[in-house]
Amino acid sequence: GAVVSQHPSRVICKSGTSVKIECRSLDFQATTMFWYRQFPKQSLMLMATSNEGSKATYEQGVEKDKFLINHASLTLSTLTVTSAHPEDSSFYICSAVDRYSYEQYFGPGTRLTVT
Amino acid sequence: SQQGEEDPQALSIQEGENATMNCSYKTSINNLQWYRQNSGRGLVHLILIRSNEREKHSGRLRVTLDTSKKSSSLLITASRAADTASYFCATVAYNQGGKLIFGQGTELSVKP
Repeated sequence: GAVVSQHPSRVICKSGTSVKIECRSLDFQATTMFWYRQFPKQSLMLMATSNEGSKATYEQGVEKDKFLINHASLTLSTLTVTSAHPEDSSFYICSAVDRYSYEQYFGPGTRLTVT
Repeated sequence: SQQGEEDPQALSIQEGENATMNCSYKTSINNLQWYRQNSGRGLVHLILIRSNEREKHSGRLRVTLDTSKKSSSLLITASRAADTASYFCATVAYNQGGKLIFGQGTELSVKP
């Protein structure tokens, strides 16, 4: 079946630094990828829609300058958390939509801890 | 913003019993999906039901959809300890490019 990977799976960074998370579709092309954030014991909150070759679309309340999204190819989207703070500590999950089948597949998630 | 709510928020049952989780949503949808998530892990897609379907089965799972009430239910029959996880419904609206909006989730605990 289709596979989506995320890298890194876990990351710990210091407050004020930036962290980049990669989301890759391994065996299909994805013109659209989504980024979600999940706090402990809570549901997934959609942060933004990443469109290949164009600007990401952010959900209300998500700071586009803080969460930079780049979807430079049909198999890779990156989320950069800039100037991270402890409150950004969360589980970040991406999903990718197969450009032909429109099936959506989720990555395994990235656990970010900001100290 | 989250689409809707699920109830119960937490459910604890004995192995062998059935577990029913409900999900409500607010807008018109293209389809509704149910996912499972083990603690600290990624999502596992369980089942998709389209807006023109009323009921769907997959193994021990039964999903119903009532678009007039904007609600869905997930029934897990003959539960096992391995079914212990969080369960989320997620809706896809028309013309949203597949964007999934998740419910609050139900934390299911199946005791052996």
